Amino acid sequence: KNQVEQSPQSLIILEGKNCTLQCNYTVSPFSNLRWYKQDTGRGPVSLTIMTFSENTKSNGRYTATLDADTKQSSLHITASQLSDSASYICVVSRGSGNTGKLIFGQGTTLQVKP
Amino acid sequence: DTGVSQDPRHKITKRGQNVTFRCDPISEHNRLYWYRQTLGQGPEFLTYFQNEAQLEKSRLLSDRFSAERPKGSFSTLEIQRTEQGDSAMYLCASSLRQGLQETQYFGPGTRLLVL
Repeated sequence: KNQVEQSPQSLIILEGKNCTLQCNYTVSPFSNLRWYKQDTGRGPVSLTIMTFSENTKSNGRYTATLDADTKQSSLHITASQLSDSASYICVVSRGSGNTGKLIFGQGTTLQVKP
Repeated sequence: DTGVSQDPRHKITKRGQNVTFRCDPISEHNRLYWYRQTLGQGPEFLTYFQNEAQLEKSRLLSDRFSAERPKGSFSTLEIQRTEQGDSAMYLCASSLRQGLQETQYFGPGTRLLVL
């Protein structure tokens, strides 16, 4: 079964601290993996995208890693800010992407406190 | 703002009523997707269009749901005889397929509450 599992389900950190979110997937065949940020009441916004051959991708204070052998990805946020409070969703695209249909994780809710 | 707009942003309705949502994608995007998202969960695929053709429908899409994209631009999602279980955020996304890469841009969503 094609699944994307994320951990932790929720996380609270203090402003300025770093954190790492995890994503495990059992999607086959694999095409690419994205991390999305979703603010409360808004649609998801893409942060990073990685294909099979890429093992790290950065976007400002966000750094995503991918281990295609173990089918794991992580999203590392450095020097967190209050505006980082959101849900972070790991999304895997399957196969050749004929449909573009994405398989979503349930998300990790991050709360950054002052 | 991703360039994808949805209307309305919020809808409260009584059980049994019909509702219709609209999505306006990024103008040059040929693909349009509908998703449903419940609280604490990731979005679930409902259906997608390539231009005006509806190419795939999820088993989640019961007979009460219908989606159209008549001119290959905006799309509508109608739910007939709404049930309380239909309460969710309905997200629309659009993309331009180029080769094997495709990035979906999401709208802000329509939050539906069925009383």
